[in-house]
Amino acid sequence: DTGVSQNPRHKITKRGQNVTFRCDPISEHNRLYWYRQTLGQGPEFLTYFQNEAQLEKSRLLSDRFSAERPKGSFSTLEIQRTEQGDSAMYLCASAGGGIYGYTFGSGTRLTVV
Amino acid sequence: AQSVAQPEDQVNVAEGNPLTVKCTYSVSGNPYLFWYVQYPNRGLQFLLKYITGDNLVKGSYGFEAEFNKSQTSFHLKKPSALVSDSALYFCAVRDPSNAGNMLTFGGGTRLMVKP
Repeated sequence: DTGVSQNPRHKITKRGQNVTFRCDPISEHNRLYWYRQTLGQGPEFLTYFQNEAQLEKSRLLSDRFSAERPKGSFSTLEIQRTEQGDSAMYLCASAGGGIYGYTFGSGTRLTVV
Repeated sequence: AQSVAQPEDQVNVAEGNPLTVKCTYSVSGNPYLFWYVQYPNRGLQFLLKYITGDNLVKGSYGFEAEFNKSQTSFHLKKPSALVSDSALYFCAVRDPSNAGNMLTFGGGTRLMVKP
């Protein structure tokens, strides 16, 4: 499979727990993006990596959120002390050089109960 | 700041009829524009993009979109709708001055094609 892979597909967690999601981008893509999509809304930008460097973070990304991309390959998004408002689909996308659209993964759906 | 508006939450069309999903944008420079489709519990799939050149852009699955600079619009069209086209459609814009290539998405339009 040469697409963008996200794991897990679904995660149910209790409020206050920490969760971590993983994204494996297309191998030759140097750019990696995390977006959040709540029900009935379009995706909202969270953060962006070029190789291993995290170059931009949205104001949506509170201090409970952290993202890493060690060695410029896969990326992880961690949410600490989850809140019910964190319930959403978390989408990862990767892109190569140039002015092209992204390739999205299937997303991780988080439900905080 | 860049923004995208999709004025219709839902578009209903009969199979075989033409369809249009509307999108307007706001960006400081010349925009890069995109359409994506999303099926239930799936990520977004790329349909087409406008970067420069011909205002009529052809994409996947028979879809096309027309860039209109004066109206700041990028409406998605298809001459003959299929039931399988029923999905959620998102328009997105990128400001070329944005080095990070971040996209701003509209709120989405649900397309319902009835047999």
